Amino acid sequence: DGGITQSPKYLFRKEGQNVTLSCEQNLNHDAMYWYRQDPGQGLRLIYYSQIVNDFQKGDIAEGYSVSREKKESFPLTVTSAQKNPTAFYLCASSMGVGAEAFFGQGTRLTVV
Amino acid sequence: SQQGEEDPQALSIQEGENATMNCSYKTSINNLQWYRQNSGRGLVHLILIRSNEREKHSGRLRVTLDTSKKSSSLLITASRAADTASYFCATVGGGTALIFGKGTTLSVSS
Repeated sequence: DGGITQSPKYLFRKEGQNVTLSCEQNLNHDAMYWYRQDPGQGLRLIYYSQIVNDFQKGDIAEGYSVSREKKESFPLTVTSAQKNPTAFYLCASSMGVGAEAFFGQGTRLTVV
Repeated sequence: SQQGEEDPQALSIQEGENATMNCSYKTSINNLQWYRQNSGRGLVHLILIRSNEREKHSGRLRVTLDTSKKSSSLLITASRAADTASYFCATVGGGTALIFGKGTTLSVSS
């Protein structure tokens, strides 16, 4: 089935550790995005990529890093520099920037 | 920065009633989109309205756009318990990613 897959669904991290969230899509979409959602809040843009090997910072990129080596994959690394990483992370993709976006089911990250 | 702001933040209605939620935004847009999120899940696209359109329908959904007032509304007619979810508007400016508002939480009781 075509879609966008995030893994894992739940992730626990110790303070000071880096952790990488996976996002894979088989929709042949050019654009991919990472958003962060805190309880009762909207989505805030972390990074987005319009094409392979290119990405732009969103509103809250500090403490995060991404790569786009393949069209299908856009992993997000939450580094130890991110002071408050506990949140729900959502990955999305679209044909182009600004087109209808398809979302994964999210990864809930908890720092313990 | 969050471009869109939904109003109200929360809405509780009975099954069969209509639900209206509003979205205001700050800068010029190419299009405006509405999404739905069930608790703890990803978002699902509902409808997209372009800046040169004023109204759009999809099933029980009706979206309006007033670019002069920088606002949009989403109307869900004949609400069902299954419509219980959070609803977000998202705007697209020139060459930028979707920017979401904080959402309206809709609760439909039977």
